[in-house]
Amino acid sequence: SQQGEEDPQALSIQEGENATMNCSYKTSINNLQWYRQNSGRGLVHLILIRSNEREKHSGRLRVTLDTSKKSSSLLITASRAADTASYFCAPDEEAAGNKLTFGGGTRVLVKP
Amino acid sequence: DAMVIQNPRYQVTQFGKPVTLSCSQTLNHNVMYWYQQKSSQAPKLLFHYYDKDFNNEADTPDNFQSRRPNTSFCFLDIRSPGLGDAAMYLCATSAGTRTYNEQFFGPGTRLTVL
Repeated sequence: SQQGEEDPQALSIQEGENATMNCSYKTSINNLQWYRQNSGRGLVHLILIRSNEREKHSGRLRVTLDTSKKSSSLLITASRAADTASYFCAPDEEAAGNKLTFGGGTRVLVKP
Repeated sequence: DAMVIQNPRYQVTQFGKPVTLSCSQTLNHNVMYWYQQKSSQAPKLLFHYYDKDFNNEADTPDNFQSRRPNTSFCFLDIRSPGLGDAAMYLCATSAGTRTYNEQFFGPGTRLTVL
């Protein structure tokens, strides 16, 4: 399993603004997953993008994947205070079996 | 609703006193995971079960053990907790198929070691 690296480590924005965070990884993947974690809680799966997909939408979330650059981005549009959380990417490598290794995360603060 | 349940949500133990954390799931998933997460860090995988097959991470200390008596339950045993074991412990499940391998997390158990 491999670790994604998120950038930036922290992000502070005003409500209504968009938030973009990036994830880089090292080797070939089957898919890449994004998770959200509210303070003191478990992680919640947000979206999965497969290696043959380039873009995926889910509500206010937009995920892109560039396998040639080994990178992904998560965009949250029209952010709300409730989006305040840590966001983790998790590249899924076939050789890893059923394991995911989470990156350090991006801590997003949305100010009302 | 199908879910992953962890008990207790908060656990206080004394240095060196064995402690067990529990996880149950109603998703009927094949795979169950235990993660350790320290403040402002990524969750770190300790071990996972695929059905009854136990898979330990190479850097998981021997102090940590796990049991999965049936599909629904999984336990994390810390034999002699040290101060450095204070953390959030997260249980997760997944279907374990290549098509659907999203992980579903419980709310976590926060362990304090005095």
